[in-house]
Amino acid sequence: DAKTTQPPSMDCAEGRAANLPCNHSTISGNEYVYWYRQIHSQGPQYIIHGLKNNETNEMASLIITEDRKSSTLILPHATLRDTAVYYCIVNIQGAQKLVFGQGTRLTINP
Amino acid sequence: EAGVAQSPRYKIIEKRQSVAFWCNPISGHATLYWYQQILGQGPKLLIQFQNNGVVDDSQLPKDRFSAERLKGVDSTLKIQPAKLEDSAVYLCASSFWAMNTEAFFGQGTRLTVV
Repeated sequence: DAKTTQPPSMDCAEGRAANLPCNHSTISGNEYVYWYRQIHSQGPQYIIHGLKNNETNEMASLIITEDRKSSTLILPHATLRDTAVYYCIVNIQGAQKLVFGQGTRLTINP
Repeated sequence: EAGVAQSPRYKIIEKRQSVAFWCNPISGHATLYWYQQILGQGPKLLIQFQNNGVVDDSQLPKDRFSAERLKGVDSTLKIQPAKLEDSAVYLCASSFWAMNTEAFFGQGTRLTVV
């Protein structure tokens, strides 16, 4: 079963930052937070992952709270192509098991 | 770099018929996953292979579903006999083992059972 809770849907204006929250209050010390997204009619795509430090790559930033019970994925300048379902997954590094929840359907509006 | 290849892209069959899906993972990826995604839901893990061995098949309906990865590369997923509720997109994914848990997904096979 998924160990995360996400809002079912969110809207964001094009060009603005999209902030997607995720609660993972039962996360263990060796479990990583992963984010994937799924654009319509495509397979999921990896975005970013982290353990306890904030992470940034060319796609997004991941902010993890100090107690690690929640995190936020930030898309700094959302475009229409960022419209997708975003999944937050908690996974043990090396266990390689990806359990998806329902995700957040993010709609970027022009 | 070539991605995860799946075929066919679409399949329509009648209930009680059998069907098979094929997946060719990214070269060098030891871990291979099969997921079932019903419309409106997140992907559900059916089976996970490490090379040609099964790591997790706890959610695979073994009375009708089977999967194999004989040489640790390509994999096939079979349904026999199919039921209406098997209508879904079947996704294959692959990743390196342990060092990098980023998984790469194929486009999926959309199965419709009528």
